[in-house]
Amino acid sequence: QKEVEQDPGPLSVPEGAIVSLNCTYSNSAFQYFMWYRQYSRKGPELLMYTYSSGNKEDGRFTAQVDKSSKYISLFIRDSQPSDSATYLCATIQGAQKLVFGQGTRLTINP
Amino acid sequence: DAGVIQSPRHEVTEMGQEVTLRCKPISGHNSLFWYRQTMMRGLELLIYFNNNVPIDDSGMPEDRFSAKMPNASFSTLKIQPSEPRDSAVYFCASGRDISYNEQFFGPGTRLTVL
Repeated sequence: QKEVEQDPGPLSVPEGAIVSLNCTYSNSAFQYFMWYRQYSRKGPELLMYTYSSGNKEDGRFTAQVDKSSKYISLFIRDSQPSDSATYLCATIQGAQKLVFGQGTRLTINP
Repeated sequence: DAGVIQSPRHEVTEMGQEVTLRCKPISGHNSLFWYRQTMMRGLELLIYFNNNVPIDDSGMPEDRFSAKMPNASFSTLKIQPSEPRDSAVYFCASGRDISYNEQFFGPGTRLTVL
């Protein structure tokens, strides 16, 4: 079993829809959780991070962690074509080692 | 402000050849990471350095892979000899030495081994 599991999609939704991206993880010791966004032929860039459980909101984006079920979610409201990218969830193992999910490829259709 | 710089951006080589990938981290960052990304396996950490010292190389797939960081502003990832299954996008990332570590990724090197 991979430490972080993520459905690779692809996921295609119409502009303006609410998007829900999800990951599960195996190790209850994980504390920091991140979402990276990767545009085609670019490196990943940090979108949001959360510590432990709860929600964090940044504009149209909300990151949610449920430690009891080991579930990580990213919600995108009012999705835009510019949100089309691959979204990778990640957690930190040890001091600095990032462990990534497979990534979900998202397309927002105008 | 320059981000992480990687060279070359694209590399096509033949099986058995030596390949050297280069990375210049962001100035002031003291951690450097090498990743490999493939469709099958996703983004995997190969090795990371802190203050130029290799900390964890457990992701390096085989002895054919080696990485060095001779100073704070330069790192190399070498594959010798290269094989077709090494074809992937290789990313370098850098960050600061804190427990929550935002890593800044370079544009990647797309390697094709024929």
